[in-house]
Amino acid sequence: GAVVSQHPSRVICKSGTSVKIECRSLDFQATTMFWYRQFPKQSLMLMATSNEGSKATYEQGVEKDKFLINHASLTLSTLTVTSAHPEDSSFYICSARTANTEAFFGQGTRLTVV
Amino acid sequence: EDQVTQSPEALRLQEGESSSLNCSYTVSGLRGLFWYRQDPGKGPEFLFTLYSAGEEKEKERLKATLTKKESFLHITAPKPEDSATYLCAVQGGGSQGNLIFGKGTKLSVKP
Repeated sequence: GAVVSQHPSRVICKSGTSVKIECRSLDFQATTMFWYRQFPKQSLMLMATSNEGSKATYEQGVEKDKFLINHASLTLSTLTVTSAHPEDSSFYICSARTANTEAFFGQGTRLTVV
Repeated sequence: EDQVTQSPEALRLQEGESSSLNCSYTVSGLRGLFWYRQDPGKGPEFLFTLYSAGEEKEKERLKATLTKKESFLHITAPKPEDSATYLCAVQGGGSQGNLIFGKGTKLSVKP
């Protein structure tokens, strides 16, 4: 299947700082990328949907000024968690797809805010 | 509202003991039902897509089936390496391609 690379896999940051997570589709051009958040023993919850070159669409309850999403090219999307707080600690997962394929997922990023 | 419910929450099997995982769903205009495997600390790994009732797909020891209300993931003669959390997700007609996930079934296969 197609490969989606997410980086970093783990990050620890201090409260109040910002963290950027990258998501790259390595062998295909992703028309749409998605960002999910997963708490322990919970399902993946969609945070936002982004299409290349346009603003991301955020799900209800997700603060767009806190979770900045940039989808600058067909192979790269970034999620920046701004002014991170301990409650932002979670597992963040991106996925990417074309119009004709299923979604492929990155390896996930474990964010810990201390 | 689109919804996915998976059962059981956890399943323990002996190696070679076949079983099935259930995924019940309600969705407006099903565009696809997906099964993924997720290992601890990893992103979901794609297994199957099913599009219409009656469809079946197989891969090694796994077989996925679909009805209008639910999907089953049958595991035949499982091995310890099949231990993982299995996620079911649906894509509805009104979506941009995003998936609604169930909470998953955590499968443990003991040798």
